[in-house]
This record gives sequence, C-alpha cells and structure tokens, in this order.
Amino acid sequence: QLQLQESGPGLVKPSDTLSLTCTVSGGSITNANYYWAWIRQPPGMGLEWIGNIDYSGTTYYNPSLKSRVTVSIDTSKNHFSLKLRSVTAADTAIYYCATWATSAGSLDSWGQGTLVSVSS
Amino acid sequence: DIQMTQSPSSVSASVGDRVTITCRASQGISSFLAWYQQKPGKAPKLLIYVASNLQSGVPSRFSGSGSGTDFTLTISSLQPEDFATYYCQQAGSFPLTFGGGTKVEI
Repeated sequence: QLQLQESGPGLVKPSDTLSLTCTVSGGSITNANYYWAWIRQPPGMGLEWIGNIDYSGTTYYNPSLKSRVTVSIDTSKNHFSLKLRSVTAADTAIYYCATWATSAGSLDSWGQGTLVSVSS
Repeated sequence: DIQMTQSPSSVSASVGDRVTITCRASQGISSFLAWYQQKPGKAPKLLIYVASNLQSGVPSRFSGSGSGTDFTLTISSLQPEDFATYYCQQAGSFPLTFGGGTKVEI
C-alpha cells in the first residue's frame, strides 16, 4: 500500500511561491500504473484538482491554475513537488498529494494533507 | 471542463436508513466516475471507482451505479461511521473535476 506525506511551509506571504513536496513510501514513484496528483481544498469548501505528473515528467494541469503551477518529480528521491507562484489569500487551502490510477482515473491513496495559509 | 453536479447538497438521515446521492456530468464520461468519503479533518477516501467498483476494504453497504452522465451512490443501511461528506469525481477527461459534495448528517 502506497503511503504519501506532504511537507512544506504552512505560511506563505502574498505574491510569494508556495512550495510543497510529497514523499512516497511503500512503492516506487516510477510505477507506470500511477500518475502523481495534487489536489487542494480551501477551508470548509470542496475539492479542486491542481495537476498530475507521471514518472517520465509528463504533466497535466488545471487550466485555472496552469499559468502559476509547476509540478515536478524526482525519481531518485521518490518524491514529487508542487510550486504555485504569485499566491494570494485565495490560495489558502489544505493541499493533498495523491496517487491517480491511470486505468480507472480515481485517486486511490491520499496523503494526510497540509494546510497552507497565505498571509503577510 | 466537465461540470459535476451533486444532489442533494446535504441530507439528514438516521442509522439504518437507505441514502442515495446523485451526480450528473455536463457531458458523457462513460463510466469514469469515482466516489469519495471525507470525514472532518481527514483526507478523502476512495469508495467506488469506475462508477460501480468497490474499493478494497470498503463495506458492501456502499454501491455505485450509472454511466454516461448520471450516476448514483447508495448506502444501503447507514451506520454511525458513515456520517461524512461525499464527493464524486469525473475522470473522463482533464481537468479532473469534483462535485460540490453531499453532507450526510443526523
């Protein structure tokens, strides 16, 4: 069973870059059965998909965030990362990483999530 | 983008009740539909994938059905641990999109 753990600062200043890492354990990040996903959830609100990356580095982004987002993968460290530039208060959310099953399209395993607040 | 409309947004129910949640896609997604359960302070948990397949370890009182644009999640006999918020998610095309959620409460 794959396990995922998000890490990164819990507080980011407006206009700065939000940076998070998701460390994968219990399996290899080069597993072709999965893409690696980021999802976020503003406090008290619903879920928003940010983007996916596969082991080769191919990415898929939400068009609503595409101009500000970069997702990358480091197979040597078995982790993948999220960068969101020029953040505002609207980017305050719980950020989750997850596995996306390529055959079913479902988000099978999730990290516990990390709250990132944007405030000066 | 494919819009996912869930209904109802909330439902009041009792232990033992049958609960049905619906999700409608703005265009056909075949059977690429998943359902998740989220409890307060926790990450979502996958319940159903490809519309009707029960994820390993999920109780059989949960079931899913539908294809195309209309989908249903049914809890056959509500248990105390089922009080939570439920989300649908389409995987017919990128960007992945979620329904707005259904809160199941007492």
